[in-house]
Amino acid sequence: EPEVTQTPSHQVTQMGQEVILRCVPISNHLYFYWYRQILGQKVEFLVSFYNNEISEKSEIFDDQFSVERPDGSNFTLKIRSTKLEDSAMYFCASSDIGTIFSYEQYFGPGTRLTVT
Amino acid sequence: RKEVEQDPGPFNVPEGATVAFNCTYSNSASQSFFWYRQDCRKEPKLLMSVYSSGNEDGRFTAQLNRASQYISLLIRDSKLSDSATYLCVVTNTGNQFYFGTGTSLTVIP
Repeated sequence: EPEVTQTPSHQVTQMGQEVILRCVPISNHLYFYWYRQILGQKVEFLVSFYNNEISEKSEIFDDQFSVERPDGSNFTLKIRSTKLEDSAMYFCASSDIGTIFSYEQYFGPGTRLTVT
Repeated sequence: RKEVEQDPGPFNVPEGATVAFNCTYSNSASQSFFWYRQDCRKEPKLLMSVYSSGNEDGRFTAQLNRASQYISLLIRDSKLSDSATYLCVVTNTGNQFYFGTGTSLTVIP
């Protein structure tokens, strides 16, 4: 069964450093997403991406964040200057469209980001 | 006002019991609805989409009430493996998804 993969599984970084989180969505999917989940809290939408551009972003997704699809398979989330409050689990998800199961998202296993 | 609200629980039920969760959403323009389950420190996994006419998948039944703006999930004959947090998810456009805080279920032997 195809699945979303994410690397690394755990990233530790110092405050102010840049991090790039990587995702490989399911190959025939067209929509890509990033979410975060702070420990003990709900899953929060960050951004959706379609046709090589951002479709929608939340208030959390400020100028410190950016996304890119550098090639045909990877989808990345960059945080330019990490803050302590960026510590969270970051999930990538992808979905297909154009079927009755439109927008059913499949999540990767997540990257746990720890900012020290 | 929160986009999606769920009773956090916890719900502790014996094996074989029937349990139901509700979720309310605030935006009447919401288009698509889903239930996900999340095990501790794992990613959310799609359980089922929720269709206007209601739908069933084995022991799981999902219903949508647009007039009252809530969706429900019914689990029959609970198994130990059903223990997880159940997340209600709503989208308006398919581009931004709103998650509830989740309802915790523990099935007891």
